[in-house]
Amino acid sequence: QSALTQPASVSGSPGQSLTISCTGISSDVGGYNYVSWYQQHPGKAPKLMIYDVTNRPSGVSYRFSGSKSGSTASLTISGLQAEDEADYFCSSHTRSNTWVFGGGTRLTVL
Amino acid sequence: EVQLVQSGAEVKKPGESLKISCHGSGYNFAIYWIAWVRQMPGKGLEWMGIIYPADSDTTYSPSFQGQVTISADKSISAAYLQWSSLKASDTAIYYCATQNIGNAFDIWGQGTMVTVSS
Repeated sequence: QSALTQPASVSGSPGQSLTISCTGISSDVGGYNYVSWYQQHPGKAPKLMIYDVTNRPSGVSYRFSGSKSGSTASLTISGLQAEDEADYFCSSHTRSNTWVFGGGTRLTVL
Repeated sequence: EVQLVQSGAEVKKPGESLKISCHGSGYNFAIYWIAWVRQMPGKGLEWMGIIYPADSDTTYSPSFQGQVTISADKSISAAYLQWSSLKASDTAIYYCATQNIGNAFDIWGQGTMVTVSS
């Protein structure tokens, strides 16, 4: 199974909004509403930010939101803050009853 | 507090065997799936496989099938990842993570760094 496709990097200024895309196929992203997003700061374990496409775990800022259209999922971060600078990974359940991650996107706050 | 605590860093030689662990606490360990995830130096996350501790039902990623063995002991709330013959390319941080919410991995261990070098 191939990794989901994410842009290698995105950047934005404080206060701006930006979106990270995650493209899969019909047997993963397109076939299930089981897309999740993870934030990883250097040297730290990943942290769940969005689950089941649109849901935010308790304690995650409202500035983070998720959506999906067809086989592409998106993570939107509004009101960008310096602390949002990190790597972001999407993940999806697959038809093979496995999970697959995206290649990761490095977010830089200018 | 729900948490996963992993065993410490390992330095091994090629060809050696290894078993690393992940202990859960603060929740009913047996009834939540536990996954293992690899992160090679400077690289992204790779899903390796998953186990249901209650009955040890296990699914592997095709990329890792036959390369590692995932097991669990529900009596002591532990999951394991093992290799019979390590390679230099197994050098990575290995995370365990559990599904306590939805269909995602919300609780992660701190990671175990495995270094394989002659």
